[in-house]
Amino acid sequence: DTEVTQTPKHLVMGMTNKKSLKCEQHMGHRAMYWYKQKAKKPPELMFVYSYEKLSINESVPSRFSPECPNSSLLNLHLHALQPEDSALYLCASSRQGLAAAYEQYFGPGTRLTVT
Amino acid sequence: AQSVTQLGSHVSVSEGALVLLRCNYSSSVPPYLFWYVQYPNQGLQLLLKYTSAATLVKGINGFEAEFKKSETSFHLTKPSAHMSDAAEYFCAVSFREYGNKLVFGAGTILRVKS
Repeated sequence: DTEVTQTPKHLVMGMTNKKSLKCEQHMGHRAMYWYKQKAKKPPELMFVYSYEKLSINESVPSRFSPECPNSSLLNLHLHALQPEDSALYLCASSRQGLAAAYEQYFGPGTRLTVT
Repeated sequence: AQSVTQLGSHVSVSEGALVLLRCNYSSSVPPYLFWYVQYPNQGLQLLLKYTSAATLVKGINGFEAEFKKSETSFHLTKPSAHMSDAAEYFCAVSFREYGNKLVFGAGTILRVKS
């Protein structure tokens, strides 16, 4: 099973709302990632968790808060977002943390619209 | 700085024709190289990867790519395009010294004409 699942598929939220995105994998992978993808652009890395510890934060604003409750789950908590945060949010996982050779498997993404 | 360049933001081919999508990287040390495909409103799917085992890499859906160190290239090819190949293709690299951080090219949208 090489599947990464993400919920919800679509999310519309106001600028004062608090919401969460969820990601799950059951491949035994020990690295998990959040990416943001704007229309007609490549994915941009936001966060990397390796062995359930945050190892990379690409200077993401604090209104985005990641959480890795266990090796299979990854959450992204959203609070006080701006309209420019509207994008496709992709989760990915790879076999081993901090190893460049391992490919990343991506989920289908959550389409977020901030109104 | 390490980077990856995809030549041609849009490529159009006829059904049955050769597909060639170009990718060049900038690095003094050969990186790990990947090609991903993204269909509209979907996530990215891995087509193939190069990790120094063999310079010609075969992937899914009939795609293959050849690593050429002298040209710092990793172009993606498919002998005969199918309508279902229409999608956006991303070349990505990772470097040993930066761990598992992927750097993506800007992407190439492939259009297949009937």
